[in-house]
Amino acid sequence: NAGVTQTPKFQVLKTGQSMTLQCAQDMNHNSMYWYRQDPGMGLRLIYYSASEGTTDKGEVPNGYNVSRLNKREFSLRLESAAPSQTSVYFCASSALALGAGGYTFGSGTRLTVV
Amino acid sequence: ILNVEQSPQSLHVQEGDSTNFTCSFPSSNFYALHWYRWETAKSPEALFVMTLNGDEKKKGRISATLNTKEGYSYLYIKGSQPEDSATYLCAFWEAGNNRKLIWGLGTSLAVNP
Repeated sequence: NAGVTQTPKFQVLKTGQSMTLQCAQDMNHNSMYWYRQDPGMGLRLIYYSASEGTTDKGEVPNGYNVSRLNKREFSLRLESAAPSQTSVYFCASSALALGAGGYTFGSGTRLTVV
Repeated sequence: ILNVEQSPQSLHVQEGDSTNFTCSFPSSNFYALHWYRWETAKSPEALFVMTLNGDEKKKGRISATLNTKEGYSYLYIKGSQPEDSATYLCAFWEAGNNRKLIWGLGTSLAVNP
């Protein structure tokens, strides 16, 4: 089915370990986003990519890096995981310019840092 | 600081009841207002993207209205069904702010059979 695919679905890391969350969309969308979702807080934007070849910081970028590998793929890297990064991470994409169209979300990655 | 408020925080209704909830957002510099439905253990799914004052959109038994001058949007569900149980999120996009949607915390709806 067409959509946004995120891997892995679950991950447990030790403090200081690194990992990359993968995201791919097959809808030919231009814009892609990484969000984190924490209890009692709205979805918070970590990084986004308005189009292939560009990336920009969102509201909570510290401790993360991203790569827009091509139009389909947008990965999120934690270089040195911290317990504060325990969260559920969502990748999303949209066809139109930021905010102009609805977002399609992946199924999420539940990350625990111990 | 821009704020998007949703009320009520949670709602329990009986199957067949009609219900509505509110999203409040800043009334200045409006660009777009999004509604999403988020079922437990799934990912948010777009319902509506609304851009014009007075917009009304409908998808099946769910509809939404938009008042950009006073900064609110209503989401209505007619004849609620158990499968409507989900969290309904709204998100505000400020004109000129090309970085992010500002998300509300959602209204959690439970429909009892």
